[in-house]
Amino acid sequence: QSVLTQPPSVSAAPGQKVTISCSGSTSNIGNNYVSWYQQLPGTAPKLLIYENNKRPSGIPDRFSGSKSGTSATLGIAGLQTGDEAHYYCGTWDSSLSSAVFGGGTEVTVL
Amino acid sequence: QLQLQESGPGLVKPSETLSLTCSVSGGSISNSSYFWGWIRQSPGRGLEWIGNGFYTGRTSYSPSLKSRVTISVDTSKNHFSLKLGSVTAADTAVYYCARVRRLASGSGSPLDNWGQGTLIIVSS
Repeated sequence: QSVLTQPPSVSAAPGQKVTISCSGSTSNIGNNYVSWYQQLPGTAPKLLIYENNKRPSGIPDRFSGSKSGTSATLGIAGLQTGDEAHYYCGTWDSSLSSAVFGGGTEVTVL
Repeated sequence: QLQLQESGPGLVKPSETLSLTCSVSGGSISNSSYFWGWIRQSPGRGLEWIGNGFYTGRTSYSPSLKSRVTISVDTSKNHFSLKLGSVTAADTAVYYCARVRRLASGSGSPLDNWGQGTLIIVSS
């Protein structure tokens, strides 16, 4: 069981927006930065969002991140078939002294 | 462009030591802005952080694996390595190496470049 909680799956039609939640506690999300990763089928994870809401160079602004209290959210706007993937949140847990991840959310484009 | 490439045996016997190397190209492993990390992924356990190393030799490990893990950084070869001892079937997973960006302040360093991953099976 993962330290961070994500919904197993979300889905929407092309062009729509989906949001993925990541729930934690004060020892992790509440006091540390959150990152989001996209894992396309058969590939390694790729950094999408860091420091809660920043996008690395080359990541389209359709992807957005936010944090409030002990929860974080990834938003994907203008959904495309190429966005079908698993998405993971990650942060540091100060109590565990360990990096931690969510269990992952599968995004399906209907 | 930075590239990371894992290498090592695909099959390890139970109770033996798993050894992997991550070769870094397109950038220096001695760059003080980054740590170098290992992460694994198995169907039953999702993404699991193993630990990080720094070019100075400083390391940090997952508490659950700390007693069995050693990460070392070799600046002369621009690569870093993972050793995991006393492996069992539960250590079967895809192992990834990654570059970890140091933050100016706070915690929650992002893994901003990943290797393609290598499948390690623990079986006799």
